[in-house]
Amino acid sequence: AQSVAQPEDQVNVAEGNPLTVKCTYSVSGNPYLFWYVQYPNRGLQFLLKYITGDNLVKGSYGFEAEFNKSQTSFHLKKPSALVSDSALYFCAVSLGGALTFGSGTRLQVQP
Amino acid sequence: KAGVTQTPRYLIKTRGQQVTLSCSPISGHRSVSWYQQTPGQGLQFLFEYFSETQRNKGNFPGRFSGRQFSNSRSEMNVSTLELGDSALYLCASSLGYNNQPQHFGDGTRLSIL
Repeated sequence: AQSVAQPEDQVNVAEGNPLTVKCTYSVSGNPYLFWYVQYPNRGLQFLLKYITGDNLVKGSYGFEAEFNKSQTSFHLKKPSALVSDSALYFCAVSLGGALTFGSGTRLQVQP
Repeated sequence: KAGVTQTPRYLIKTRGQQVTLSCSPISGHRSVSWYQQTPGQGLQFLFEYFSETQRNKGNFPGRFSGRQFSNSRSEMNVSTLELGDSALYLCASSLGYNNQPQHFGDGTRLSIL
């Protein structure tokens, strides 16, 4: 069975500072990994995906993610946080048309 | 290109009733997946339809069912509603391959009284 863990319920960062939201996964075989963001009263928005290839994946709104096979991690990063990045972030792994999500990490960016 | 559309946005029902939720996918997408989001259980996969066939199913009771039409639009039905069915129900569409992202609608907020 596949699973995803997001060890931090909340991450606080000051505007302009770099941010990292952590994700680890457990899958058999090659993982298909995704990051999504959710704003209040909205659905999930796709940020980026890792399928194969480069370990650093670039996505929307300046976000990127680093895939580390030995540590089974897929951390989301951004060099300079914005107040508007404050939202709920989900890491997910895909298998058979089903996304298995982590529990989510609330990112709070303070001005 | 229009996004995924879910109707209605909000719904209030009472225990024992049944409900049908609707999802219109992005044009050209043949896969539609449904998810339940609650504060306690997080995001959980319900089922996925591809070309009118249920291709994958999560661990939910038989009260939860769905179908997909020839135009890829999908409906989800919940019968004999329970208080615990109160949740945000999200629909997502994709091209149907594991390496393709799913694109989500804004959901239907279902409240059971």
